[in-house]
Amino acid sequence: DTAVSQTPKYLVTQMGNDKSIKCEQNLGHDTMYWYKQDSKKFLKIMFSYNNKELIINETVPNRFSPKSPDKAHLNLHINSLELGDSAVYFCASSNELWGIRYEQYFGPGTRLTVT
Amino acid sequence: EDQVTQSPEALRLQEGESSSLNCSYTVSGLRGLFWYRQDPGKGPEFLFTLYSAGEEKEKERLKATLTKKESFLHITAPKPEDSATYLCAVHPNSGGSNYKLTFGKGTLLTVNP
Repeated sequence: DTAVSQTPKYLVTQMGNDKSIKCEQNLGHDTMYWYKQDSKKFLKIMFSYNNKELIINETVPNRFSPKSPDKAHLNLHINSLELGDSAVYFCASSNELWGIRYEQYFGPGTRLTVT
Repeated sequence: EDQVTQSPEALRLQEGESSSLNCSYTVSGLRGLFWYRQDPGKGPEFLFTLYSAGEEKEKERLKATLTKKESFLHITAPKPEDSATYLCAVHPNSGGSNYKLTFGKGTLLTVNP
């Protein structure tokens, strides 16, 4: 009965490699997000999709590319990984009703370590 | 620019010792303020949403309150299982950031038995 799931939970890779993280939500929400949490535990928005349309694209290197095949899935592909990409990446989802955006529900996170 | 500041950064309490966490915010209009709990190695877990000044919400030993400039998370008679990082986030009510939450850096709460 997992609400927001991510795979993999841990990802260890070398600099220069390309990797993907997958996210799925079964809450029926219309909006999904990617967040990055750095070593200081600061949580920062990266991207957001609403009904498969990109609505938030923060100042993130072009090496990061989100893709939403449908409302329930949001994947994150990272090219040419760098040491500074090491962090925990969280997927989240939420819904909107009458212009009010409701609380976001987070996945368990993917800990990415670039060596 | 929207800002969220949480204090203290860390708080140690004895079991049963009540206290409050603070979240000060600066936004161009507030659509909502959210409190989350995050345990080590896990994703943030939703606790409360507050929409307008004067609003209060309670859940077990936690009570969240909201003014026009800040929110408090009051913890009454805490237990060791309340130990976690508590995150505050704001949802601004301004055009381009309608969908974006801005998080504070969190307060790490440790409750000793």
